[in-house]
Amino acid sequence: DVKVTQSSRYLVKRTGEKVFLECVQDMDHENMFWYRQDPGLGLRLIYFSYDVKMKEKGDIPEGYSVSREKKERFSLILESASTNQTSMYLCASSSPPGTVSGNTIYFGEGSWLTVV
Amino acid sequence: DAKTTQPNSMESNEEEPVHLPCNHSTISGTDYIHWYRQLPSQGPEYVIHGLTSNVNNRMASLAIAEDRKSSTLILHRATLRDAAVYYCILRDPLNTGGFKTIFGAGTRLFVKA
Repeated sequence: DVKVTQSSRYLVKRTGEKVFLECVQDMDHENMFWYRQDPGLGLRLIYFSYDVKMKEKGDIPEGYSVSREKKERFSLILESASTNQTSMYLCASSSPPGTVSGNTIYFGEGSWLTVV
Repeated sequence: DAKTTQPNSMESNEEEPVHLPCNHSTISGTDYIHWYRQLPSQGPEYVIHGLTSNVNNRMASLAIAEDRKSSTLILHRATLRDAAVYYCILRDPLNTGGFKTIFGAGTRLFVKA
């Protein structure tokens, strides 16, 4: 069964702390994504990566950075956490465009981050 | 990117069929129609997808209008476990810009016992 694993389900961090959210997929997918989800706003794309060391900004990259040193791992970094970054963060992966399975996005269970 | 429009919420009785509509009037010829659902406190999960023809799988059926400007996700017998937010999205597998798949607010399905 395909799997996207997010390292932490629930985190509480202080304002100004550096926060790392880790995501690992076991499907050998090239594409990985980070979304945040807030009530009434749906899923919003923060960053995506289409290959190791490659990254592209999504719709709301401000205040975030990412790292993709290995194909299976995609990390989201909050350099200096702020209270408006309190949210649920979702990692996802998919195969590249042009592949049969590239149609499907696989999500992790989500990481609930509270910044106090 | 082409967008989709869904009702904010729908209600169903347990063990009755549910038809969840989605409008996508700006769909392009290479866009696939995907449905995902998100159970409480979980990440979204894939339900079904299709291009032109109706599709069936163990979870649901997808009915696609002939002009492809709308589609309907059909749950044949709703159960309490089907209470979730259902997202209709468009994915172009041939377009690298398809990375920026847009998830709207979806339809929240309530199922009554």
